[in-house]
Amino acid sequence: SQQGEEDPQALSIQEGENATMNCSYKTSINNLQWYRQNSGRGLVHLILIRSNEREKHSGRLRVTLDTSKKSSSLLITASRAADTASYFCAPLDTGRRALTFGSGTRLQVQP
Amino acid sequence: DVKVTQSSRYLVKRTGEKVFLECVQDMDHENMFWYRQDPGLGLRLIYFSYDVKMKEKGDIPEGYSVSREKKERFSLILESASTNQTSMYLCASSRGLAASNEQFFGPGTRLTVL
Repeated sequence: SQQGEEDPQALSIQEGENATMNCSYKTSINNLQWYRQNSGRGLVHLILIRSNEREKHSGRLRVTLDTSKKSSSLLITASRAADTASYFCAPLDTGRRALTFGSGTRLQVQP
Repeated sequence: DVKVTQSSRYLVKRTGEKVFLECVQDMDHENMFWYRQDPGLGLRLIYFSYDVKMKEKGDIPEGYSVSREKKERFSLILESASTNQTSMYLCASSRGLAASNEQFFGPGTRLTVL
């Protein structure tokens, strides 16, 4: 089954720096979603990018999608300590009725 | 705000017990999902439901069953709990019939099977 693979597995940066996380997947998709999970909590939806879109912005978040390379990236600009969390990509395969999630990138933002 | 609630945050059960995990959403969503989350394995889909009394197997349904008698409630059942079912269980819901809609998650239930 399709599963997004996030890279790196862990990332530590200073407050104010940008954080970039990458996601690779294997087959054709309808869309790809990014979620955040604070420690011990449920996931929260951040942004959705459709297969015919190349870039999308939401506040300090910028997501890109390259379907030819089967990859996506999530950029968080001007990071804050509150951005410390795990980030997951969830590609939706064409013909599949549910999302699949990878293992996530653990982001630590040092104040 | 959409709210997805799960019956327990922490649960400790013994091997062989029948375990019920309850999930309730208050936004009239058609789709509901059960995942388990384990370190290094990410979230894995156990079962999902796109309508009352409808269910579909996810990627790891073995050892689990589900029930959806009412639209707002989706139950995960461990027929005979085993130690390898110790995990964090997450419930989610989404609107409409399209799987492409964003999912709203509950806070999770951390289940320990002794």
